[in-house]
Amino acid sequence: DAGVTQSPTHLIKTRGQQVTLRCSPISGHKSVSWYQQVLGQGPQFIFQYYEKEERGRGNFPDRFSARQFPNYSSELNVNALLLGDSALYLCASSFRTPSSGNTIYFGEGSWLTVV
Amino acid sequence: AQSVTQLDSQVPVFEEAPVELRCNYSSSVSVYLFWYVQYPNQGLQLLLKYLSGSTLVKSINGFEAEFNKSQTSFHLRKPSVHISDTAEYFCAVSFMNRDDKIIFGKGTRLHILP
Repeated sequence: DAGVTQSPTHLIKTRGQQVTLRCSPISGHKSVSWYQQVLGQGPQFIFQYYEKEERGRGNFPDRFSARQFPNYSSELNVNALLLGDSALYLCASSFRTPSSGNTIYFGEGSWLTVV
Repeated sequence: AQSVTQLDSQVPVFEEAPVELRCNYSSSVSVYLFWYVQYPNQGLQLLLKYLSGSTLVKSINGFEAEFNKSQTSFHLRKPSVHISDTAEYFCAVSFMNRDDKIIFGKGTRLHILP
């Protein structure tokens, strides 16, 4: 079975631009989470979706938004990019929500560089 | 406040020597505990997890971790490390029937010396 797949793997954007990152969860998984990992730090929680509803939001500005589609895939959008948004963006999926003890499985991530 | 602390940012250890990577957490509710490993330029892979039951959990590649509720710790150990264990290790916590987020520590870089 395919794991969590993310696209694109690498991208470079200019300050002020907008970016959309995509994620396909493991087949059968209904929960998708997004994390930002800045170089040298642990992943920071951005969003969690379960059955297409937002179930959690981390401490990120409104420039960050996400959605989950009927097929459980997800997109993360970041508007008005700042240099500080440069990071590895990780998508993770699980069968149910993390609060039920389900293990989350990560994709390889999307490396975003803002110049 | 909920938090995860990895006390060592880097741990150098000689090949075939034992290692312990420390993790402490703070939470007002029951938790689930995880260790993830990240190899250079890759995503995170689950190494092992504690959900309930036996407090000692083991991975297939020789790592083990013990949940200590009284000390709120979940230290990772391996009796003999290999060069291939060189990676960043992240301790993580999720919260039983609460927020649907996982909190990660800042990571410990395991550096194997030949």
